Amino acid sequence: EAGVAQSPRYKIIEKRQSVAFWCNPISGHATLYWYQQILGQGPKLLIQFQNNGVVDDSQLPKDRFSAERLKGVDSTLKIQPAKLEDSAVYLCASSLAVQYEQYFGPGTRLTVT
Amino acid sequence: AQSVTQPDIHITVSEGASLELRCNYSYGATPYLFWYVQSPGQGLQLLLKYFSGDTLVQGIKGFEAEFKRSQSSFNLRKPSVHWSDAAEYFCAVGSNTGNQFYFGTGTSLTVIP
Repeated sequence: EAGVAQSPRYKIIEKRQSVAFWCNPISGHATLYWYQQILGQGPKLLIQFQNNGVVDDSQLPKDRFSAERLKGVDSTLKIQPAKLEDSAVYLCASSLAVQYEQYFGPGTRLTVT
Repeated sequence: AQSVTQPDIHITVSEGASLELRCNYSYGATPYLFWYVQSPGQGLQLLLKYFSGDTLVQGIKGFEAEFKRSQSSFNLRKPSVHWSDAAEYFCAVGSNTGNQFYFGTGTSLTVIP
């Protein structure tokens, strides 16, 4: 069974630029999560999708972050414009449904200069 | 407010020694509790979870954890640590509706020969 795929693995941008991350969950997983993990901290949930609907986005900075999950499969997380404090690893995870085990992708390491 | 506290930022143990990683949570409802491990360059992997029932749960790689409601704790234990256990360990709490998922700040484990 293929795991959660994320791309790119690494990205370096200048502040005020925009960036997008892509996630392909495990086939058949209805729930998809985006996390932000700043160095030295635990992952922070940004947004959770159930199929293509948003379940929770209470910690998503909506003035600059956006996410979508078209057709309930792949998902894209966008930052526009980026700030220095957005430097972090962005993790995508998926699960069969809520309350089930979350499977994590390898993450995208973003550096904003 | 919901939160997870891992008091120990870093722990060093000798190979073959026992291990206990502490986790305390603050959660208004019945918590679902998890322990994840993150090895360098690897994604997060679930070690074990507690939803209900027996308060002592067994996980993969010889780990176990005990849920103590009176102490709001969910400590992770292993009777004999192996060098390959060196990693970052995260405690997490979630709701029974599957959203509002919170990670602790993590405990870094070093294993010395």
